[in-house]
Amino acid sequence: SSELTQDPAVSVALGQTVRITCQGDSLRSYYASWYQQKPGQAPVLVIYGKNNRPSGIPDRFSGSSSGNTASLTITGAQAEDEADYYCNSRDSSGNHPGVFGTGTKVTVL
Amino acid sequence: QVQLVQSGAEVKKPGASVKVSCKVSGYTLTELSMHWVRQAPGKGLEWMGGFDPEDGETIYAQKFQGRVTMTEDTSTDTAYMELSSLRSEDTAVYYCATTEEGYSSSWYVNWGQGTLVTVSS
Repeated sequence: SSELTQDPAVSVALGQTVRITCQGDSLRSYYASWYQQKPGQAPVLVIYGKNNRPSGIPDRFSGSSSGNTASLTITGAQAEDEADYYCNSRDSSGNHPGVFGTGTKVTVL
Repeated sequence: QVQLVQSGAEVKKPGASVKVSCKVSGYTLTELSMHWVRQAPGKGLEWMGGFDPEDGETIYAQKFQGRVTMTEDTSTDTAYMELSSLRSEDTAVYYCATTEEGYSSSWYVNWGQGTLVTVSS
């Protein structure tokens, strides 16, 4: 299967912790990467590989994986973290990096 | 630091073709694996295709096979995505993006600013 499923929306109080999940068969073989997208902007990579952050991404963002589920955790959410988040992985056969999750809208209250 | 600068917005009629460009700076195109991802209004990200460094070929999503062509001009470090037989459902923002690979993973490192393609009669 080449589908990644995410909850459509989650909310978190300012300063609290939120976990966004991504489920799919390909995640049993491949790590997910995670992207933050704000309205009218291109996506930005926030987590890749086992749990790596690109330069400039705050350490409140972390990733984990278990079985067919990958998770992105924001510890101490800030107002600027309000955005859409997408997971991504290679397809189950490893042929291409083109499987995107359905996206999760994170609202910071 | 890689920068990707895309061409401007386009308005096309149904049945026409569109060609979007993505100019690379900071690296040469031959050092990068370029992909194209689109996003319809209010919808999620959809991979269209890109360069597979394992076999040196461009691979396309099955959905776009026969309708999309991705090319590269290494003399100008510019990538192109041409989509033909446009229909209203192709109205979307089209992004170029470069990928990197690691152990059991790949990720999209750099993104262009996006090009809005509107298909309307």
